[in-house]
Amino acid sequence: GQNIDQPTEMTATEGAIVQINCTYQTSGFNGLFWYQQHAGEAPTFLSYNVLDGLEEKGRFSSFLSRSKGYSYLLLKELQMKDSASYLCAVRFNNNDMRFGAGTRLTVKP
Amino acid sequence: DTAVSQTPKYLVTQMGNDKSIKCEQNLGHDTMYWYKQDSKKFLKIMFSYNNKELIINETVPNRFSPKSPDKAHLNLHINSLELGDSAVYFCASSGLGDLTDTQYFGPGTRLTVL
Repeated sequence: GQNIDQPTEMTATEGAIVQINCTYQTSGFNGLFWYQQHAGEAPTFLSYNVLDGLEEKGRFSSFLSRSKGYSYLLLKELQMKDSASYLCAVRFNNNDMRFGAGTRLTVKP
Repeated sequence: DTAVSQTPKYLVTQMGNDKSIKCEQNLGHDTMYWYKQDSKKFLKIMFSYNNKELIINETVPNRFSPKSPDKAHLNLHINSLELGDSAVYFCASSGLGDLTDTQYFGPGTRLTVL
């Protein structure tokens, strides 16, 4: 199977840091993506990891451990506009992309 | 300037009707996709085409038929619409020129079957 698991909902405070975890089954792994999706809009690309380690892009960072089948998205200095769903997606060797169910993040003042 | 566009944005129709959704990308990408996002917000791949050839065909009813007249277009035709087809349908594309092969999504088509 290609199960991708992430928490359903998270809440954090403006200015804080939040970490959204994602676990997946490792067989055929060929890259992991994080997307942001605001309500009523299309998913937009945030980050990509294919090698172990941390990728930093401004306030957002993404980490990957291939041996553990684990990734996280780290959001720093949270802003109200960061309230959205965050989708973890894994590409497998047959170029098949599978999405997790998404984590709905609510940022409170 | 729109990279991936879909029409229509909203579609309301009766059960049993046949409808089509169109998708076009101007990114020069080789691969296009159709996804379905249901009321629980779960995004599920339906089809993938590479250079007009079908490469992924998930277990979807054969009432759904994709058609790719050229690599910039991937349309979705749905026959005999059912209530359970109500969802948001997203088109996406990705290309070999992008090392990550990131998928770029269209704005979505919200289909409501009454």
